Amino acid sequence: GNSVTQMEGPVTLSEEAFLTINCTYTATGYPSLFWYVQYPGEGLQLLLKATKADDKGSNKGFEATYRKETTSFHLEKGSVQVSDSAVYFCALSVPAGGFKTIFGAGTRLFVKA
Amino acid sequence: ETGVTQSPTHLIKTRGQQVTLRCSSQSGHNTVSWYQQALGQGPQFIFQYYREEENGRGNFPPRFSGLQFPNYSSELNVNALELDDSALYLCASSLAQGRTYEQYFGPGTRLTVT
Repeated sequence: GNSVTQMEGPVTLSEEAFLTINCTYTATGYPSLFWYVQYPGEGLQLLLKATKADDKGSNKGFEATYRKETTSFHLEKGSVQVSDSAVYFCALSVPAGGFKTIFGAGTRLFVKA
Repeated sequence: ETGVTQSPTHLIKTRGQQVTLRCSSQSGHNTVSWYQQALGQGPQFIFQYYREEENGRGNFPPRFSGLQFPNYSSELNVNALELDDSALYLCASSLAQGRTYEQYFGPGTRLTVT
């Protein structure tokens, strides 16, 4: 079956610290991989994506590389800001009729000034 | 270009009642997916509609049903509400195009079942 496992939170960092949120997946076939971010009281926003092995998705200083050999898609940022405080979801999408998206449980990030 | 909108924002219902949630897709998008997000968890896929037909379904019972209209707006209907149905319900629109699978989410409807 298809599943996504991401590191449990909360993760608490000081401003300008380096961020890594681990994500591994199990999938039949070749999924597309995503990171979504959810700010308090809001819906999900697409942060970045990668559609094939070795692709690197990047946006707003965040990066993640699609690693087929380790079935991973870890999220990184070199220097976090207080405004990055949110819940981050790793997800995969596979064809299923149209397509089906499976989300991880989410990792809450707190960034202190 | 308008984004994805959902109504109502919040809703309180009693166990056994029925509820209808609404979603307006982003302009030009022909696919809508619905998700249930329980507190502290990731969204769970309920179903997807493409050109007014159900196009895929997750592990939800038949009392969860939906519609997509010619203008690509959509409804989620839940019958015989249970306490465990309390959650944030998210809709997401997308344009079926190859393997893009890129979705745009609405702000959600918070349903509380008492």
